[in-house]
Amino acid sequence: DVKVTQSSRYLVKRTGEKVFLECVQDMDHENMFWYRQDPGLGLRLIYFSYDVKMKEKGDIPEGYSVSREKKERFSLILESASTNQTSMYLCASSLYGTRTDTQYFGPGTRLTVL
Amino acid sequence: AQKITQTQPGMFVQEKEAVTLDCTYDTSDPSYGLFWYKQPSSGEMIFLIYQGSYDQQNATEGRYSLNFQKARKSANLVISASQLGDSAMYFCAMREGRTGVGSYQLTFGKGTKLSVIP
Repeated sequence: DVKVTQSSRYLVKRTGEKVFLECVQDMDHENMFWYRQDPGLGLRLIYFSYDVKMKEKGDIPEGYSVSREKKERFSLILESASTNQTSMYLCASSLYGTRTDTQYFGPGTRLTVL
Repeated sequence: AQKITQTQPGMFVQEKEAVTLDCTYDTSDPSYGLFWYKQPSSGEMIFLIYQGSYDQQNATEGRYSLNFQKARKSANLVISASQLGDSAMYFCAMREGRTGVGSYQLTFGKGTKLSVIP
């Protein structure tokens, strides 16, 4: 079974703090993704990675950075958290080259920035 | 312009009835894939079904089927024999192209909230 895990289900941080969200997949997938989900806006892609140490900006990368040092782990970093980064964060992974390239998601992290 | 449009913010269906969730898409790429995901209140996005642009037949997975009308650029999800556990948000998504970094991305619609009534 496909398994994507995220380090926290719920997280509360203060404005200005550095925040790390961790995502781990056990399917040997090349691709990993970070989305944020806000009511009425759907899912928006922040960053993705198609290989170790490789990253590409998505639609809303401002205020975020990412790190992928190992194939199975993809981290999202909020350098200085702000209240407008309060959101649901979803990580996903996919195996490129298959017919569907289906993305499989983790359970999500609900981040609140006070 | 939106690439994925889901016009039904919310829908109700009686238990054991069938329901259709609408999705229209916009692309000029001849090669693309369409996905449906379910998101229960717990938050996890669950993959339901996939349709490729070159697939000759409509995709089916158990109680889920995809009514793919290529000329109309629509990819509606049909859930047969609705169950209480089907109550959730449903998202339609599209992947365009088969080459280059851009082909990895999914574009999501804003979702439809389905409520199944006992």
